Amino acid sequence: KQEVTQIPAALSVPEGENLVLNCSFTDSAIYNLQWFRQDPGKGLTSLLLIQSSQREQTSGRLNASLDKSSGRSTLYIAASQPGDSATYLCAPCVGNTGKLIFGQGTTLQVKP
Amino acid sequence: EPEVTQTPSHQVTQMGQEVILRCVPISNHLYFYWYRQILGQKVEFLVSFYNNEISEKSEIFDDQFSVERPDGSNFTLKIRSTKLEDSAMYFCASTTGRLGNEQFFGPGTRLTVL
Repeated sequence: KQEVTQIPAALSVPEGENLVLNCSFTDSAIYNLQWFRQDPGKGLTSLLLIQSSQREQTSGRLNASLDKSSGRSTLYIAASQPGDSATYLCAPCVGNTGKLIFGQGTTLQVKP
Repeated sequence: EPEVTQTPSHQVTQMGQEVILRCVPISNHLYFYWYRQILGQKVEFLVSFYNNEISEKSEIFDDQFSVERPDGSNFTLKIRSTKLEDSAMYFCASTTGRLGNEQFFGPGTRLTVL
């Protein structure tokens, strides 16, 4: 059974810092991995999709890496801004039906 | 840009009542999913649906739950007799392909069971 862990659970940084969010998963048999952003009480906004054959994917200030064999993914946020404050979720895509298995998330606060 | 929509945004019901949560997936998508998130907990997979039938369901998805695609656009989740522990945010998602493609999520329906 796929288990997904995200570290740290919470993070508070001053504006402008570069930061790394970590995601680990127990079963390397994944098709892809999606990173999402969730604002309090809101839905899931897809940030990046990284395919199992890829090592990295970039979108603006965001960069996701994937090491499938070791069961790890990281989300790098460059030059953080207060508007980046949210919970970040990683979710590998698994199984015959492509379901997503979510981590608990990392709650980020960027202070002005 | 096409998006997944869900209605209602918030549903309040009494324990034991039936509720139907509605979703309109993106029009050319073929695979559909329901997930739920109890307050403060992880997002959990409930069920996947393809070609008008359930392709996988989780342990949570017991006989009280059912899904249906009654026409070419809607995808519904029915809870026959709601329990207090069904209170959660329910998300619908869809994708063009089952494997390797991005899943697009709706904004969610917040279900409150009293």
